Amino acid sequence: GIQVEQSPPDLILQEGANSTLRCNFSDSVNNLQWFHQNPWGQLINLFYIPSGTKQNGRLSATTVATERYSLLYISSSQTTDSGVYFCAVERYSSASKIIFGSGTRLSIRP
Amino acid sequence: GAGVSQSPRYKVAKRGQDVALRCDPISGHVSLFWYQQALGQGPEFLTYFQNEAQLDKSGLPSDRFFAERPEGSVSTLKIQRTQQEDSAVYLCATTRGDLSSYNSPLHFGNGTRLTVT
Repeated sequence: GIQVEQSPPDLILQEGANSTLRCNFSDSVNNLQWFHQNPWGQLINLFYIPSGTKQNGRLSATTVATERYSLLYISSSQTTDSGVYFCAVERYSSASKIIFGSGTRLSIRP
Repeated sequence: GAGVSQSPRYKVAKRGQDVALRCDPISGHVSLFWYQQALGQGPEFLTYFQNEAQLDKSGLPSDRFFAERPEGSVSTLKIQRTQQEDSAVYLCATTRGDLSSYNSPLHFGNGTRLTVT
């Protein structure tokens, strides 16, 4: 099946810093989403981005489907950005599975 | 309701007991997924429903796991004869459309944390 790898696995930054999180996938995909899991376990959808670039406030994401990767950018980090960031991909040919990576754990220090 | 609702929020079971976990989807959402998330890991796919039809159950780890969505709305994940390795957070997620015309994001519930002692 398709493999999803995220890097780095852990990232510790000072408040105000910028960061780039990466998601690589082993085969072509039809859809890709980025999620933030907060310290209480709630998973929140950040972006639905099978290709191209999207921005939402301090966050933006770019997916280059032909090269099988996606990047999540966080600018001017805040402590509330802490948590785990997951990317999840879907291939229609593999029916209904949406496959998650193992995540990047981000800790923002005040 | 406004979001995906899961109950109970926490469940402690003794090994060998049966448990039932409930998911109330966002009204009108066609697709419903169950995921299992172990500590420090990403969510692992268990099963998928499109309305009342269970189209994929390939992620269910054993025949002790059973899921249903009889009326295409509320879903129940049942685990029989629980084992310690079943301890995890069980997440339910729904989307507005079906996967062939998939163009809407996943909405997750808060999960049920199952601890088997």
